[in-house]
Amino acid sequence: GQQLNQSPQSMFIQEGEDVSMNCTSSSIFNTWLWYKQEPGEGPVLLIALYKAGELTSNGRLTAQFGITRKDSFLNISASIPSDVGIYFCAGHYGYAGGTSYGKLTFGQGTILTVHP
Amino acid sequence: DTAVSQTPKYLVTQMGNDKSIKCEQNLGHDTMYWYKQDSKKFLKIMFSYNNKELIINETVPNRFSPKSPDKAHLNLHINSLELGDSAVYFCASSQADAGNTEAFFGQGTRLTVV
Repeated sequence: GQQLNQSPQSMFIQEGEDVSMNCTSSSIFNTWLWYKQEPGEGPVLLIALYKAGELTSNGRLTAQFGITRKDSFLNISASIPSDVGIYFCAGHYGYAGGTSYGKLTFGQGTILTVHP
Repeated sequence: DTAVSQTPKYLVTQMGNDKSIKCEQNLGHDTMYWYKQDSKKFLKIMFSYNNKELIINETVPNRFSPKSPDKAHLNLHINSLELGDSAVYFCASSQADAGNTEAFFGQGTRLTVV
């Protein structure tokens, strides 16, 4: 089945630093999504990418859909303590009427710790 | 006014028991999901329902039986609970029929089997 490799597994940074994490896959996806999960909560959608090569920003967050459709990265600029959490990439390949439609495949997550 | 709400948030039960988790979404979405997050935080889909019809069943044991009485609700019933069922279960929904795969997740149900 499809698998996503997300790296790094964890990051310890100082407040104000920029952060970069990425996901790669052996197979293509039609959609890449980035989620953040805080303790005791469900994943919250940060950015959705629908086209190969697409670069999208959401405040201090920027994500790109790789040209090959097999990778994506997420950058966080000028990190702040509330950026702490687990960041997940997720890919979707299904098509309408197909058995995988709507199914998201998740990466292993990147645990981000920000020191004040 | 929570978009995807699931109950209970915590569930502690003994091996062999049967338990249910309920989920409701008020987003008007046509597709609902159950995901399982293990102790290493890995998220994996279990089931998806589109307009009350089962679409995805990811080789989950028969002890897990989802039920969707209407497209706003998707419940998960688990029979004969085992220690290995301990995990956090997330309900989610999306408007998949409109080509929108952005899933919105509930807060999760932390199931502990003792």
